[in-house]
Amino acid sequence: DAGITQSPRYKITETGRQVTLMCHQTWSHSYMFWYRQDLGHGLRLIYYSAAADITDKGEVPDGYVVSRSKTENFPLTLESATRSQTSVYFCASSVQGVHGYTFGSGTRLTVV
Amino acid sequence: RKEVEQDPGPFNVPEGATVAFNCTYSNSASQSFFWYRQDCRKEPKLLMSVYSSGNEDGRFTAQLNRASQYISLLIRDSKLSDSATYLCVVNGRATSYDKVIFGPGTSLSVIP
Repeated sequence: DAGITQSPRYKITETGRQVTLMCHQTWSHSYMFWYRQDLGHGLRLIYYSAAADITDKGEVPDGYVVSRSKTENFPLTLESATRSQTSVYFCASSVQGVHGYTFGSGTRLTVV
Repeated sequence: RKEVEQDPGPFNVPEGATVAFNCTYSNSASQSFFWYRQDCRKEPKLLMSVYSSGNEDGRFTAQLNRASQYISLLIRDSKLSDSATYLCVVNGRATSYDKVIFGPGTSLSVIP
């Protein structure tokens, strides 16, 4: 089915481990984004990508790495997970910039 | 001052009531404005864009006041299904996807 999918839906990991969250979209949207959502902070942009092989930092990029070798995939890696990275992570895509964001269903990550 | 501010609520209203949410933004250069809806533990979804002249979509009316830098969302004849968190979204520049700011959200509970 067409759309934007995230995996896994839920993840528990230990402090210091590397973990990768996956995001896949089937619309060939140019733009893709990673957000985290925490109580009291709303949605905060981690990284975004305007096209394959083009990525840039958002508001809270520290501790995260992204890549975009293919238009449809935009994985987010936590290099060494910390408890402060416990959050809900949303991936989004859009045809152009801010217009028409569509979000994936989210990954709930717990770092213990 | 936060870039986008909203009254967190919660707003508890009876079915059939009219409820209004306000959102203020700090960047006078902001060009694009939106309201998103987020159900509990789910992804945000675009509710409506906000145009300078104001716009309506069924029971929902959005208004923009550039002089005072706020946008509003009016919901008439509230339904139980309107219970959700409403996110105000503001963009700094028309093509600046990296400056899309989500407000923290206003929680609405419609009571039978």
